[in-house]
Amino acid sequence: GAVVSQHPSRVICKSGTSVKIECRSLDFQATTMFWYRQFPKQSLMLMATSNEGSKATYEQGVEKDKFLINHASLTLSTLTVTSAHPEDSSFYICSASDRGYPYEQYFGPGTRLTVT
Amino acid sequence: AQSVTQPDIHITVSEGASLELRCNYSYGATPYLFWYVQSPGQGLQLLLKYFSGDTLVQGIKGFEAEFKRSQSSFNLRKPSVHWSDAAEYFCAVGRGSARQLTFGSGTQLTVLP
Repeated sequence: GAVVSQHPSRVICKSGTSVKIECRSLDFQATTMFWYRQFPKQSLMLMATSNEGSKATYEQGVEKDKFLINHASLTLSTLTVTSAHPEDSSFYICSASDRGYPYEQYFGPGTRLTVT
Repeated sequence: AQSVTQPDIHITVSEGASLELRCNYSYGATPYLFWYVQSPGQGLQLLLKYFSGDTLVQGIKGFEAEFKRSQSSFNLRKPSVHWSDAAEYFCAVGRGSARQLTFGSGTQLTVLP
């Protein structure tokens, strides 16, 4: 149980284009989803927290107009990187918490974004 | 602000040897502490967590961790390491009502045959 998927696992896009990453909770309802960014050989940095049906709360320093987050249902959240640039290249990871266990997050396998 | 420090970037141990990964945290309130393991191509997996109560916490795969408030530490231990334990290990502290996680920088574990 408690499986979180991400799609795509890898994506390459050209500078200036937008790319959408999906995060799905497969066997539970995710009231809260989180988006992280991980640079090579570095830690995970929380980008934003989203609750189903509400606007996402972004961490300090994260551009909300650059990284659009939508959490329209209890099983799906999307992260759209708008007007991507090479510096946006990174590993993006989502996680989800369900109603019964707000203290535990279940992580997706991550999406490798490369902007050329 | 909360922070997590993992002083060891890389640790190498022989298979069968004991292991201790260090974690120190800074947090104003009672911390919610976690250890996760990350293997290539896989999502982070929770090894164990501490919220309250017994300061020695047992986790999966034979791991345990001890919360020491006086030292602001939550070190991860395993008595006998297996080759499959080679991975990146992250300590994290949870904050806020949604338990947003602040991660340490990670410790890469290499296991020698």
